[in-house]
Amino acid sequence: QVQLVQSGAEVKKPGASVKVSCKASGYTFTSYYMHWVRQAPGQGLEWMGIINPSGGSTSYAQKFQGRVTMTRDTSTSTVYMELSSLRSEDTAVYYCARASSGWIDYWGQGTLVTVSS
Amino acid sequence: VIWMTQSPSLLSASTGDRVTISCRMSQGISSYLAWYQQKPGKAPELLIYAASTLQSGVPSRFSGSGSGTDFTLTISCLQSEDFATYYCQQYYSFPRTFGQGTKVEIK
Repeated sequence: QVQLVQSGAEVKKPGASVKVSCKASGYTFTSYYMHWVRQAPGQGLEWMGIINPSGGSTSYAQKFQGRVTMTRDTSTSTVYMELSSLRSEDTAVYYCARASSGWIDYWGQGTLVTVSS
Repeated sequence: VIWMTQSPSLLSASTGDRVTISCRMSQGISSYLAWYQQKPGKAPELLIYAASTLQSGVPSRFSGSGSGTDFTLTISCLQSEDFATYYCQQYYSFPRTFGQGTKVEIK
């Protein structure tokens, strides 16, 4: 069965960076793009970007351009999302989510990133 | 950027009610729309894709309709487990965008 298992919660200081991992299993890793979506406390879903695990190409939301980097490691079927220059507004749950012909069919369990001094 | 207007933001209903949620696009997206359900503390789950195709395992009381700019999610007979927040999402173009969400609460 398809599983996306994310790394654990993080607490970071303003200005720091965070790197969240998402390990995929139960399917061919390189056959499906992966999204990253975040959700601030009590707020809606916000799309951050997408990575093609096959070639590593990415597309980022303009809001995060220059601050976000999405990478993958095909040897471990893991995608990563690194967000730099963290500020309090980046406090959120970050999800990886598998893309299936456009829509999202599977989601990771989420990783809470707290930015606080 | 395709902007989405989802309404209502809050819907109070009773078990057994028929409820509808609307999602309107700033430009046409054909049928490239999905609906998700999210319960507190959990990741969203896919309900419907291609505007009206029910994801495997989703109860038939859920249905989706529309194309172009106007879409609707309908729950025909609300069950206790349906009280949750619902989101629409377009996948016609990048950046992908989500509606603001509709919380369905017990009346």
